[in-house]
Amino acid sequence: LAKTTQPISMDSYEGQEVNITCSHNNIATNDYITWYQQFPSQGPRFIIQGYKTKVTNEVASLFIPADRKSSTLSLPRVSLSDTAVYYCLVGDGGSARQLTFGSGTQLTVLP
Amino acid sequence: DTGVSQDPRHKITKRGQNVTFRCDPISEHNRLYWYRQTLGQGPEFLTYFQNEAQLEKSRLLSDRFSAERPKGSFSTLEIQRTEQGDSAMYLCASSLARRTGGLYEQYFGPGTRLTVT
Repeated sequence: LAKTTQPISMDSYEGQEVNITCSHNNIATNDYITWYQQFPSQGPRFIIQGYKTKVTNEVASLFIPADRKSSTLSLPRVSLSDTAVYYCLVGDGGSARQLTFGSGTQLTVLP
Repeated sequence: DTGVSQDPRHKITKRGQNVTFRCDPISEHNRLYWYRQTLGQGPEFLTYFQNEAQLEKSRLLSDRFSAERPKGSFSTLEIQRTEQGDSAMYLCASSLARRTGGLYEQYFGPGTRLTVT
């Protein structure tokens, strides 16, 4: 199982771009990188998933370098409502043991 | 609202009592997952079903925990002889299988908060 490491917390201001990096040095060839967002008293919500290079959707972008040992979730122009915990997961879907959320990164957006 | 519902939303029970939680997944989803989350930690995987078959269980799932998914629709999670350490948020999620690989996109319910006194 690929172990992931994320910063415990980050602060940002409204309107700024936020980049949260996740390290996964022992990622396997078939593994994908998935990010979830969780607000207090709610279940996590899927944000984005990618395998290599760059993936973009209406919410975020995911940058994955060629060696795939890390990934960066990019949130453009954050607002107060983006204050949440962000989790990085790595796996190929072959085993539910890969569903390891860890402690995540607490992002606090300040006015 | 993700389309996954859980009942009850809150449960307070006394140590030693049995409790049962229910999860109703998105109807076309064939996979259903249970997680436990304590304060300051991410969700911990407990078990999952594909249709009615329980395919994996975490080592966290002691003998006091049992889950069912009859007919591959809703699921129940029962905790027998509750202990104070069982106090947590219990989350349910459902998903389809992805054909292109990677982790399945899961849709989480709002959770059931259990307090054992």
